[in-house]
Amino acid sequence: AQKVTQAQTEISVVEKEDVTLDCVYETRDTTYYLFWYKQPPSGELVFLIRRNSFDEQNEISGRYSWNFQKSTSSFNFTITASQVVDSAVYFCALSLTGANSKLTFGKGITLSVRP
Amino acid sequence: NAGVTQTPKFRVLKTGQSMTLLCAQDMNHEYMYWYRQDPGMGLRLIHYSVGEGTTAKGEVPDGYNVSRLKKQNFLLGLESAAPSQTSVYFCASSFWRSGELFFGEGSRLTVL
Repeated sequence: AQKVTQAQTEISVVEKEDVTLDCVYETRDTTYYLFWYKQPPSGELVFLIRRNSFDEQNEISGRYSWNFQKSTSSFNFTITASQVVDSAVYFCALSLTGANSKLTFGKGITLSVRP
Repeated sequence: NAGVTQTPKFRVLKTGQSMTLLCAQDMNHEYMYWYRQDPGMGLRLIHYSVGEGTTAKGEVPDGYNVSRLKKQNFLLGLESAAPSQTSVYFCASSFWRSGELFFGEGSRLTVL
């Protein structure tokens, strides 16, 4: 079985604040992939990152960074110096690698960035 | 590039009516998926396909049927719509099993 928990449901910050979105996953498999997707108010789903279970290096892309820790089964996402355009619903997701593997999403975190 | 296209974008049905949502992708992807999105529930997998002619059940398959007669198309059918099927439906495709999903724009379905 696989499960993704995003305990935070809604977060509100003021522009330029840093914000971290938490993601905790459960799986017995040793090989798996973790993802983050963004859903802005327009509704489309935008891929942000994929990380495989053997690569625990943190990743930084501009103002976005991801912290993957297998010891705590977490894959957290930090936005530095948030902007109004970061307002969206953010989904963490987990995919195993078996024959019928599929992507399991968390329930999402609604981030509101106020000017 | 079209990517993943869903039709229709909006539809209102009465309870008991039937309809089909069409998903078309032009990226030659093997894997295709249908998700539904409801407030506070995230995205839940309805059915998926790992290749032309194949389909499999996801997390919430009841009340839906699917077909993948052509590699580029994945159809989602509702034989007898119920108010509980009011939702936003997303189709997605991927090149490989654990690859990035490319999503359509979504189809908003309301069942009265």
